[in-house]
Amino acid sequence: DSGVTQTPKHLITATGQRVTLRCSPRSGDLSVYWYQQSLDQGLQFLIQYYNGEERAKGNILERFSAQQFPDLHSELNLSSLELGDSALYFCASRPGSGDTGELFFGEGSRLTVL
Amino acid sequence: AQKITQTQPGMFVQEKEAVTLDCTYDTSDQSYGLFWYKQPSSGEMIFLIYQGSYDEQNATEGRYSLNFQKARKSANLVISASQLGDSAMYFCAMRETNYGGSQGNLIFGKGTKLSVKP
Repeated sequence: DSGVTQTPKHLITATGQRVTLRCSPRSGDLSVYWYQQSLDQGLQFLIQYYNGEERAKGNILERFSAQQFPDLHSELNLSSLELGDSALYFCASRPGSGDTGELFFGEGSRLTVL
Repeated sequence: AQKITQTQPGMFVQEKEAVTLDCTYDTSDQSYGLFWYKQPSSGEMIFLIYQGSYDEQNATEGRYSLNFQKARKSANLVISASQLGDSAMYFCAMRETNYGGSQGNLIFGKGTKLSVKP
């Protein structure tokens, strides 16, 4: 158990819909990262937050947005869903400084868009 | 740009034997970190081992060791005494260059699927 909690574990929805994925980082971790894992693209970095502020953006679509709340949990919002958005979405956390940099991953949220 | 290359899409190993999973990386940074993760069929990503670019010794964690050859820019994972439970995807990753004050995210390779045969 990494200590990172993601909900829901599985989600099935239709094209055009909007979903919200939730992540609770390990206790005390300030940095949260979101990744998308699909068969053809592998593990793609989406976005990073540090103590409530956006720190880095990767290959995140404009239809996707995220935020980190004062209690450090984070949400990834996916809107106008397309079939190609079907993937495993990971949240990961780390303390943010003074460590070697390994990320601790949640179990992922598997999104299926029909 | 930084890049991680894993050239072995799939590997087979006999139970109790050792196996090496290849990873090469490309970076112009002097300071960097390399990581290996395991992803079993259940999907979670499990951190295995870390090697810092300035570490003189190869990292070891139980049955996992990292064969770090800096001049060749390779960071191969060696699993000794393979077990059936080692069957999984294995990802090599590098910490991205610092920017914006953060330590950066991890860049992952495409992964190697390891199958352990009884």
